Amino acid sequence: EAGVAQSPRYKIIEKRQSVAFWCNPISGHATLYWYQQILGQGPKLLIQFQNNGVVDDSQLPKDRFSAERLKGVDSTLKIQPAKLEDSAVYLCASSSAGVNRDTEAFFGQGTRLTVV
Amino acid sequence: LAKTTQPISMDSYEGQEVNITCSHNNIATNDYITWYQQFPSQGPRFIIQGYKTKVTNEVASLFIPADRKSSTLSLPRVSLSDTAVYYCLVGGPGSGSARQLTFGSGTQLTVLP
Repeated sequence: EAGVAQSPRYKIIEKRQSVAFWCNPISGHATLYWYQQILGQGPKLLIQFQNNGVVDDSQLPKDRFSAERLKGVDSTLKIQPAKLEDSAVYLCASSSAGVNRDTEAFFGQGTRLTVV
Repeated sequence: LAKTTQPISMDSYEGQEVNITCSHNNIATNDYITWYQQFPSQGPRFIIQGYKTKVTNEVASLFIPADRKSSTLSLPRVSLSDTAVYYCLVGGPGSGSARQLTFGSGTQLTVLP
């Protein structure tokens, strides 16, 4: 079974520039998560999709971050414009969990973003 | 969402059993308890999940008392490769139909030779 694919693995941009991350979840997984992990901290949920609908985006800084999951498969996360404090690893995860079902989530290797 | 509290760090020696306890006083009736492991430069990896009593798989055991206000991850005979951050998660179905995954700060386990 192929894992969660993310690209790019690394990205360095200047502040105020824009950047996009791509995630291809495990085939058939309806739930997709984007997390931000700052060095030394646990992953922080940015947005959760169920198929192509948003379940939770309460911690997504909507003035600069956006995410979409067209057709309920792969997803992109965009930052525009980037700030220094956005430097972090951006993790994508997927799971097949549904109502009253609890299954594990599978994570990609992440994209390490450095804003200079 | 139930908040979790776990030790910031723990040290152990190779071959020992390690127990990491997580407190979750506000756990809800339909919440599960899940543990993830994370190595540097990698995404978290699922270890084990349980609802009550004891769950065991090939890598760990999870002990959950009757009141479910805490849980203990037990790693038998740790090796150097078990050095990682361990996260305890408690959650149930979110506003949609899928389960929410909320990470805390985790426990840095260091296994010494």
